[in-house]
Amino acid sequence: EAGVTQFPSHSVIEKGQTVTLRCDPISGHDNLYWYRRVMGKEIKFLLHFVKESKQDESGMPNNRFLAERTGGTYSTLKVQPAELEDSGVYFCASSPPGGFYNEQFFGPGTRLTVL
Amino acid sequence: AQSVTQPDIHITVSEGASLELRCNYSYGATPYLFWYVQSPGQGLQLLLKYFSGDTLVQGIKGFEAEFKRSQSSFNLRKPSVHWSDAAEYFCAVGPSGGYNKLIFGAGTRLAVHP
Repeated sequence: EAGVTQFPSHSVIEKGQTVTLRCDPISGHDNLYWYRRVMGKEIKFLLHFVKESKQDESGMPNNRFLAERTGGTYSTLKVQPAELEDSGVYFCASSPPGGFYNEQFFGPGTRLTVL
Repeated sequence: AQSVTQPDIHITVSEGASLELRCNYSYGATPYLFWYVQSPGQGLQLLLKYFSGDTLVQGIKGFEAEFKRSQSSFNLRKPSVHWSDAAEYFCAVGPSGGYNKLIFGAGTRLAVHP
C-alpha cells in the first residue's frame, strides 16, 4: 500500500512568487493534515480536513495560505505571495476515518525555500 | 497553553550504548503522547504511543517510553543503540483544543558513533 506522498520534494522560489504544494493521502483516509516545520523548530499544525471539509484551520498563519481538498482526495496548499518567513518543511499526514486514536501517517515533506 | 519540550537538540551515543531522549509536556488533561522518528528523506514514523493503562509502553525497533504523570514526562529509551537509529526524534501530545491536531516538540537529533 502506498504511503502519503508529497510533491514537489523541494521548491525554491523568490519572494512574491506563488507556490503550490500537493499531498496525496493514503487511499481511504478521510482525515488529512498539514503541518510545517520552520528552521529546525517544532513541527506546527496548520489545518485538518475531514474529507473535503476544513475541520480545523486554526494553525494557518495568514490569508496568504490557501488549502483545498476538492473531492476529498488529494490536497493542495498554495502560498501566494510567498514571504521569506514561509521557508520550511511542509508535512502532510493522513489518518483513517474515526477519532483521534487513529495514527497519523506522515509524508516525507516538501522543503520550501523562499529567497 | 499546551506545549512539548525536548531539552536536548543533539545527542551523540556510541553504538551499543543505551539511550534516553527526554520529553516534557504541558497539558491540561490526561494527555495522549507519541514519539515519532524521521530518518533522512523519510516521513515521520510512529514509534509508540500512550493513551492509557500501563505507563511503560513498548514500540517498534526496540524502543520503549515511560509516562510519568508526576514529572509531566514521557522519555524514550532503548537499551542498545544501532547505527541505523541515527535520525531525528519528535515527541508529541494531543489532541488539542478538541481537535485531532498534534503538538510537537522541537526534536532531538541523534548521532551514533561506531
